[in-house]
Amino acid sequence: RKEVEQDPGPFNVPEGATVAFNCTYSNSASQSFFWYRQDCRKEPKLLMSVYSSGNEDGRFTAQLNRASQYISLLIRDSKLSDSATYLCARRDNYGQNFVFGPGTRLSVLP
Amino acid sequence: DGGITQSPKYLFRKEGQNVTLSCEQNLNHDAMYWYRQDPGQGLRLIYYSQIVNDFQKGDIAEGYSVSREKKESFPLTVTSAQKNPTAFYLCASSRGEGFITEAFFGQGTRLTVV
Repeated sequence: RKEVEQDPGPFNVPEGATVAFNCTYSNSASQSFFWYRQDCRKEPKLLMSVYSSGNEDGRFTAQLNRASQYISLLIRDSKLSDSATYLCARRDNYGQNFVFGPGTRLSVLP
Repeated sequence: DGGITQSPKYLFRKEGQNVTLSCEQNLNHDAMYWYRQDPGQGLRLIYYSQIVNDFQKGDIAEGYSVSREKKESFPLTVTSAQKNPTAFYLCASSRGEGFITEAFFGQGTRLTVV
């Protein structure tokens, strides 16, 4: 089983829709989690950090469920500019490496 | 402004040639990382360094080498032993062991074998 798993998508949603992605992880020692956004042929950029049960920033909400070992990302009122690949990552208790999921591709359609 | 700078942005390599990708950061981060990304794929760890003069192999280190002589710099050499080097290479840095904060990425180097 891969350490971090994501549904690759693509998720095709209309503008204004609410969309949610899940990311599952297998290492229970993981302490911190991150959602990154990656545009085509660009570097990943941090969208949100998740250290406790969840985090909210405007239209974006991330939630962490340690018992079931997954984190989720909810995007409300989708914009065309939200079209990108969303990468989930975890960092373990010792603050060593980051392990990334394969990413979920989102296309917001007019 | 603080950040991570990778150069060059595009690089073309002939078969059998070694090339070096540059990565410099001014964020005062102890940890630095090199990832490889193939089209439609996630990030795979090549090498990482938690401190100057020390580095460790990641999941796909064969055919690559690194050095960490300065805190700010972590160059990656793609050797002729790497049989399929065409990919997008990303350098990242973060606060080191004991911290749980995020990684920051450079803009990447796109390497193509010609």
